Amino acid sequence: EDKVVQSPLSLVVHEGDTVTLNCSYEVTNFRSLLWYKQEKKAPTFLFMLTSSGIEKKSGRLSSILDKKELFSILNITATQTGDSAIYLCAVPNFGNEKLTFGTGTRLTIIP
Amino acid sequence: GAGVSQSPSNKVTEKGKDVELRCDPISGHTALYWYRQRLGQGLEFLIYFQGNSAPDKSGLPSDRFSAERTGESVSTLTIQRTQQEDSAVYLCASSKGLLFYEQYFGPGTRLTVT
Repeated sequence: EDKVVQSPLSLVVHEGDTVTLNCSYEVTNFRSLLWYKQEKKAPTFLFMLTSSGIEKKSGRLSSILDKKELFSILNITATQTGDSAIYLCAVPNFGNEKLTFGTGTRLTIIP
Repeated sequence: GAGVSQSPSNKVTEKGKDVELRCDPISGHTALYWYRQRLGQGLEFLIYFQGNSAPDKSGLPSDRFSAERTGESVSTLTIQRTQQEDSAVYLCASSKGLLFYEQYFGPGTRLTVT
């Protein structure tokens, strides 16, 4: 059974801090790992990682995948209150595309 | 405890037929969400239920889609006169409350319309 585990479950930091969110996985036929930001309704897509060791970057957010150790991290630098959200990690099952999600990390940025 | 369950796991149907997808949320979770995940695309919100409030149907793509929920328990998503573009994985999630509680996702139903 595919498994995705995220840590920490929740995190509260002050504006301007840097945070690192973790995602470890156990899946068969791994192909990619996805990060989502969920504020209200549908999670919004952040990154798709397929290659180990290659950092994906978008503004203050960046993510990297370690396929040997089966984990990924999501970094957010110079956090802002708008970064407050739940960050979801998910892995699609190769073949049927069903996503296995972690339960997410709830990030709260205090002004 | 038991997580969110969905049934069926897979469904293949012919174009034009109606399908019904089921979601059993975690007991005690007041909020329930339906999403759609098309191949190669991100999650697409469809509808959510919160307690006894009127559901937010703003994400339903057409009037062929409808969903019901009985109290704070089982929900069904119905797609009438299915089209090939309805082929996707349909995910259900539940949470203790709306918006700021972690959502626990079910395994999804993979719908294929031929």
